[in-house]
Amino acid sequence: DAGVIQSPRHEVTEMGQEVTLRCKPISGHNSLFWYRQTMMRGLELLIYFNNNVPIDDSGMPEDRFSAKMPNASFSTLKIQPSEPRDSAVYFCASSLFPGTRKRETQYFGPGTRLLVL
Amino acid sequence: DAKTTQPPSMDCAEGRAANLPCNHSTISGNEYVYWYRQIHSQGPQYIIHGLKNNETNEMASLIITEDRKSSTLILPHATLRDTAVYYCIVRANRDDKIIFGKGTRLHILP
Repeated sequence: DAGVIQSPRHEVTEMGQEVTLRCKPISGHNSLFWYRQTMMRGLELLIYFNNNVPIDDSGMPEDRFSAKMPNASFSTLKIQPSEPRDSAVYFCASSLFPGTRKRETQYFGPGTRLLVL
Repeated sequence: DAKTTQPPSMDCAEGRAANLPCNHSTISGNEYVYWYRQIHSQGPQYIIHGLKNNETNEMASLIITEDRKSSTLILPHATLRDTAVYYCIVRANRDDKIIFGKGTRLHILP
């Protein structure tokens, strides 16, 4: 099992540029989550999808952030335009929901480290 | 907001049992207790979960008090690789979301 795959692993960009983060969930999982982690704010849930449909985007910080899930095996998180305060580690996670409690466990990817200069 | 309270940090000697406490005094009947950990520079990793009975798996044991207002995660023989931030989370049945708090930073001392 390949686990959750995220790309790129590291991204350095300049303020104002568009940034696209990518995630491939575990095969067979139907829920996908995007988190952001910073020292100041910890691990924050940005948005999550179930069966490719956004269920809760209340954590998305502002209109500069958008997320899509065009199919069950791929999701993107886009920041346009990027700002230095967006610098963080962005994690993607997936799960099978609903399912047994164990199967509803979220499995996290390795994260994308984003630095906006 | 997270519904749990954990000490910000703890130390444990290598080879000893690490006991990580968590208070969740406002937990409701349909909420489970989950534990995750995050090793430096990695994504969070599921450890264990429970409702009201004590649970054990290959990684840890979870002890939940009878009134369910607190729990303890036990790593029976801590190793240096157990150094991580440990998150205690309450999660409603049929709720897909996980809200992370600040967790406990566990240092395993050689």
